[in-house]
Amino acid sequence: GAVVSQHPSRVICKSGTSVKIECRSLDFQATTMFWYRQFPKQSLMLMATSNEGSKATYEQGVEKDKFLINHASLTLSTLTVTSAHPEDSSFYICSAREGSGFNEKLFFGSGTQLSVL
Amino acid sequence: QQQVKQSPQSLIVQKGGISIINCAYENTAFDYFPWYQQFPGKGPALLIAIRPDVSEKKEGRFTISFNKSAKQFSLHIMDSQPGDSATYFCAASTNAGKSTFGDGTTLTVKP
Repeated sequence: GAVVSQHPSRVICKSGTSVKIECRSLDFQATTMFWYRQFPKQSLMLMATSNEGSKATYEQGVEKDKFLINHASLTLSTLTVTSAHPEDSSFYICSAREGSGFNEKLFFGSGTQLSVL
Repeated sequence: QQQVKQSPQSLIVQKGGISIINCAYENTAFDYFPWYQQFPGKGPALLIAIRPDVSEKKEGRFTISFNKSAKQFSLHIMDSQPGDSATYFCAASTNAGKSTFGDGTTLTVKP
């Protein structure tokens, strides 16, 4: 299957700092990527849909000024957690859509564990 | 309103047994039904997926059964192995886009 690379895999930061997470589709172009948040033993919660060349679409309740998403190219989307606080600590996962129409599939990155001290 | 309901929450199966996880959906516009496998600290990995034009899809030990009229689909893992122990998520979407995920099933396969 297609490969989605997500970095870093783990980050620890101080409260008030900003953290950038990268999501790359390595062997395909992805016009659409998705960002999720996952708490321990819970399902994935969609945060936003990232579209190449346009503004991201955020889900209800997700602060767009705190979670900045940039999809500058067909292979890269970034999520920046601005002024992170302990309550932002979570597992963040991206996914990228490959193919079109009936053959579309979603592939996920390996996730980023964010710990805010 | 939860659009995809997954059961059971946890499942324990003996090695060599059959693991069965069920999902039910509400939105009839859904046309893509994947199953994902997730190990601790890792992102989900696409395991197998089905479209509503077929009632069953098999890939190795993994089979999806799909019942369009009942709006239900299930994952069967044949000859379950300890390495299959993971959390499994069903999902539903239109054109593999914005997905709605089930709550997950933690599978434990005992040696």
